[in-house]
Amino acid sequence: DVVMTQSPLSLPVTPGESASISCRSSQSLLDGNGYNHLDWYLQKPGQSPQLLIYLGSNRASGVPDRFSGSGSGTDFTLKISRVEAEDVGVYYCMQGLQTPLFTFGPGTKVDIK
Amino acid sequence: EVQLVESGGGSVQPGGSLRLSCAASGYSFSSHWMHWVRQGPEKGLVWVSRINFDGSATTYADSVRGRFTISRDNAKNTLYLQMNSLRAEDTAVYYCTRESAAVGTRYMDVWGKGTTVTVSS
Repeated sequence: DVVMTQSPLSLPVTPGESASISCRSSQSLLDGNGYNHLDWYLQKPGQSPQLLIYLGSNRASGVPDRFSGSGSGTDFTLKISRVEAEDVGVYYCMQGLQTPLFTFGPGTKVDIK
Repeated sequence: EVQLVESGGGSVQPGGSLRLSCAASGYSFSSHWMHWVRQGPEKGLVWVSRINFDGSATTYADSVRGRFTISRDNAKNTLYLQMNSLRAEDTAVYYCTRESAAVGTRYMDVWGKGTTVTVSS
């Protein structure tokens, strides 16, 4: 079975600075068409999760351009440039290629220092 | 506006049953695969089940297979999750999610607000 890991699990950030979260998969998430089936979701406090990044590097509709996703295969990164107070919450990566499908990472809690 | 609204949660004793519903609006419901994802108290997200466009294909997490049944009524734009033989570890917020319609992709692009299920004696 595929295993998803994230680091760090807790990330205090200073507004205006950048922050990065790593997500690693125990198996490649790159399919034969060149798509990386790795997505990022943000769950703000008291809210349901929302899609941030899909297929590794594509911003979802309405997501600010300070959010970017990169990586391929087994290693992926979510970067937040110029962190704002509204970016606090738990960030989850999720894979949609390997068995079992739709495996989430443990989550990274981002809060303001 | 695209919207998913879950209902049907509540408190139930171990071994009991509940049926969750998810009413979809603002888009063509029958054009999207759908999912249920749950989140235990102070825990992370766990995928539960998935159903295809017309309900002819379903998949389940090992933890719920044989106890939960996902279904849909495209005429009513509604997704369901029938939960039987409930256990304490099924206690969670249950989210209904929409899968992207883009060919070859599987991300969840719309999430409901969730409905809470508590299994306790």
